[in-house]
Amino acid sequence: EVQLAESGGGLVQPGGSRRLSCVASGFTFSDSWMHWVRQGPGKGLVWVSQINTDGTTTTYADSVKGRFTISRDNAKNTLYLQMNSLRAEDTAVYFCVRLLSEWGQGTLLTVSS
Amino acid sequence: QAVVTQEPSLTVSPGGTVTLTCASSTGAVTSGHHPYWVQQRPGQAPTSLIYDTINRHSWTRARFSGSLLGGKAALTLSGAQPEDEADYYCLLVYSGIWVFGGGTKLTVL
Repeated sequence: EVQLAESGGGLVQPGGSRRLSCVASGFTFSDSWMHWVRQGPGKGLVWVSQINTDGTTTTYADSVKGRFTISRDNAKNTLYLQMNSLRAEDTAVYFCVRLLSEWGQGTLLTVSS
Repeated sequence: QAVVTQEPSLTVSPGGTVTLTCASSTGAVTSGHHPYWVQQRPGQAPTSLIYDTINRHSWTRARFSGSLLGGKAALTLSGAQPEDEADYYCLLVYSGIWVFGGGTKLTVL
């Protein structure tokens, strides 16, 4: 059974940084493209970023480009999202997604002073 | 960045059939956009239903089907059940950048 467990959310001040993690199990992590998707309170889904199997290719939504960095550690079966220069509009539940098909339960990030 | 448009809301009767659509601001939706459909029930994490236009996941009920229809991606639900009441999102890719539609709130009533 595929399991994706996000962590690292919480309360962060505007301008601050945070790193989210997603520990994967139940499949061969190193064979899977991975994504981060977010959902603001009461809002729709927004694709954030993707990374290829060995971490050499990454793409980002315009809204986070230059501020967020996706990465992975295949030895640890873990996906990361480093978020810098955080804004109030980054407040959301962040989901880790395998192949845009299997979703974690998400971790809530709140950006507020 | 492209904009993906869905019906904001639709209503279907139990046992009925409804089609949700997904349009692209750049023109016709094609298989090259690799349309996905995602369901999100209230208070739950999303679940993917359809990938690459027409393909169901192993967990997707057969009453859900995907297609291209009139220049749009489409999700058809045949024989709606109360548990199908949810938000449905389509997802398209544009040169490696994925874009979600705004979602369709489906009511089964």
